[in-house]
Amino acid sequence: EADIYQTPRYLVIGTGKKITLECSQTMGHDKMYWYQQDPGMELHLIHYSYGVNSTEKGDLSSESTVSRIRTEHFPLTLESARPSHTSQYLCASSESKQWTSGRAGRETQYFGPGTRLLVL
Amino acid sequence: KNQVEQSPQSLIILEGKNCTLQCNYTVSPFSNLRWYKQDTGRGPVSLTIMTFSENTKSNGRYTATLDADTKQSSLHITASQLSDSASYICVVSDRGSTLGRLYFGRGTQLTVWP
Repeated sequence: EADIYQTPRYLVIGTGKKITLECSQTMGHDKMYWYQQDPGMELHLIHYSYGVNSTEKGDLSSESTVSRIRTEHFPLTLESARPSHTSQYLCASSESKQWTSGRAGRETQYFGPGTRLLVL
Repeated sequence: KNQVEQSPQSLIILEGKNCTLQCNYTVSPFSNLRWYKQDTGRGPVSLTIMTFSENTKSNGRYTATLDADTKQSSLHITASQLSDSASYICVVSDRGSTLGRLYFGRGTQLTVWP
């Protein structure tokens, strides 16, 4: 069982509200990720971080923002929630390994249980 | 375009039966392929990981195969149990970037009936 946690697990909120989805891991992993997943669809990377004070946008454009002030914590914030933000949000982390040719991406990503967000 | 296609989209089998899930990919340059199991309402959990030099990998009742030439992989589940009901996701990583970009399939939804 991976030591990565997400809160809340379920969130129903009205349009225009500011929300923060929490993600924390106790494995000391440097890299952390946020994915968005709609039912029956593939995961899409929306944010990632190589370590403290590092944040990057992923492949799927997202109006959310992230921060990485501490290694174990990677919160995602939506300043003004809209119905189009309704989805499942999955946080993941992985251990950094030496960046040699061919080794990138070999480390396993450990996923949290996800947050199911419904914006009315 | 790098893609991962899985089939079938959904599958229903009886408890105790075997099944095979398929994954075709076009990701290049290829680094490795993983199979994840995702229970409803949970995050994915890694089952197996294979590099291009490995053509089979087992994890209990789960056996994954990889044909890097045809860019195909399969996940075989033996003697299925009710707890095997889940979505099985094929994930391919490239080695064209330092991040090791992951490409996710949409998953095969497996339902095991008693």
